Amino acid sequence: AQKVTQAQTEISVVEKEDVTLDCVYETRDTTYYLFWYKQPPSGELVFLIRRNSFDEQNEISGRYSWNFQKSTSSFNFTITASQVVDSAVYFCALSDSNTGANSKLTFGKGITLSVRP
Amino acid sequence: NAGVTQTPKFQVLKTGQSMTLQCAQDMNHEYMSWYRQDPGMGLRLIHYSVGAGITDQGEVPNGYNVSRSTTEDFPLRLLSAAPSQTSVYFCASSYLVLAGLQNTGELFFGEGSRLTVL
Repeated sequence: AQKVTQAQTEISVVEKEDVTLDCVYETRDTTYYLFWYKQPPSGELVFLIRRNSFDEQNEISGRYSWNFQKSTSSFNFTITASQVVDSAVYFCALSDSNTGANSKLTFGKGITLSVRP
Repeated sequence: NAGVTQTPKFQVLKTGQSMTLQCAQDMNHEYMSWYRQDPGMGLRLIHYSVGAGITDQGEVPNGYNVSRSTTEDFPLRLLSAAPSQTSVYFCASSYLVLAGLQNTGELFFGEGSRLTVL
């Protein structure tokens, strides 16, 4: 069975601090896909990134970066120079390739990030 | 540019009543799914479909029915509502991601439907 653990439940930082959101996953599949989604206070869910299990390159997009390490089954998300607009709930998610990579997505419980001015 | 449309946005039911949450997408996505979001639980998959006429159960299917008669629509039916079904429900759709293709696999979510069962 697949499992996603986001051990941090709430994080509070001051604006401009860097913050890392941890994600640890479990799967028996050799091919799988990892995702991060953001849910701002308005409630919608926003896709941030997808990473394939066979691609271990780290990714940077502006102030966001992702560190994928198969050896530790982790897919951590770092926000550099955080801003108030980054305040949201962040979900890590996992799927396997049995029925298409994005079916049966398993979500972690989410991390509530609060960025104070 | 509608995307994924869910109705209703809010609903209050009494225990034992039935209702249908509607979901429609206009992006010709093969894959559609329903999730429920409860405090501290993240999002949990209820049912999903990889095409018209094909549905399957997710993690928490009990008490819910779905059907997929068209590519566009994926309604979620509560047959006999219970207080445990009080939740926020999200419909999501996407293209199926096949190995080797560059499709991001992004799930497009509706705005959510807040259901309260008294």
